[in-house]
Amino acid sequence: QSVVTQPPSASGTPGQRVTISCAGANFNIGSNYVYWYQHLPGTAPKLLIYKSSERPAGVPDRFSGSKSGTSASLAISELRSEDEAHYYCAAWDDRLSASVFGGGTKLTVL
Amino acid sequence: EVQLVESGGGLVQPGGSLRLSCAASGFNFITSWMHWVRQAPGKGLVWVSRINSNGVTTTYADSVKGRFTISRDNAKNTVYLQMDSLRADDLAVYYCARGDAWLPYSWGQGTLVIVSS
Repeated sequence: QSVVTQPPSASGTPGQRVTISCAGANFNIGSNYVYWYQHLPGTAPKLLIYKSSERPAGVPDRFSGSKSGTSASLAISELRSEDEAHYYCAAWDDRLSASVFGGGTKLTVL
Repeated sequence: EVQLVESGGGLVQPGGSLRLSCAASGFNFITSWMHWVRQAPGKGLVWVSRINSNGVTTTYADSVKGRFTISRDNAKNTVYLQMDSLRADDLAVYYCARGDAWLPYSWGQGTLVIVSS
């Protein structure tokens, strides 16, 4: 059981906007930055969002991150078939003195 | 281009030891925090450990504390993960990653560790 919670699955059709949520607590998301990763099986995970809302160079602006209180969200607009992957949120946890990942959300593009 | 190449994975018996290595290039290694993250088959990503730029600060997940040791050799641009007292639930792909003090930015392709008798 992850201390940071994500829905196990999400779906959308091409062109749609999809949001993936990430719920935590005061001592992780509530007081620290949130990071989002995209992971395709057999490949290296890819950083999509760092410091809650910053996008690394090369990541399309279709991907955006936000944080409010103890929750965070990743939004993907103009959904494409190649966006089908697992998505993970993560944050530092002050109580554990360790980083924690959410359980991951499998995004299906219908 | 950032490159991180893990090695050292393989089959080990329960209770055994293994040392993973991660050779880094394409960025300023000596100023970078480095992380290890693992993924068991069919499961999600789990953060394992981090080390700061000079190797003085190290942190571990509770599940590996006292059994795993992270270290680095800045002269060789390499970070290590010494894994002792391995258990069946340590079976996973282990990823090396460059990041900030909290989480990874760039990841390697991973190396598989199998713990089985």
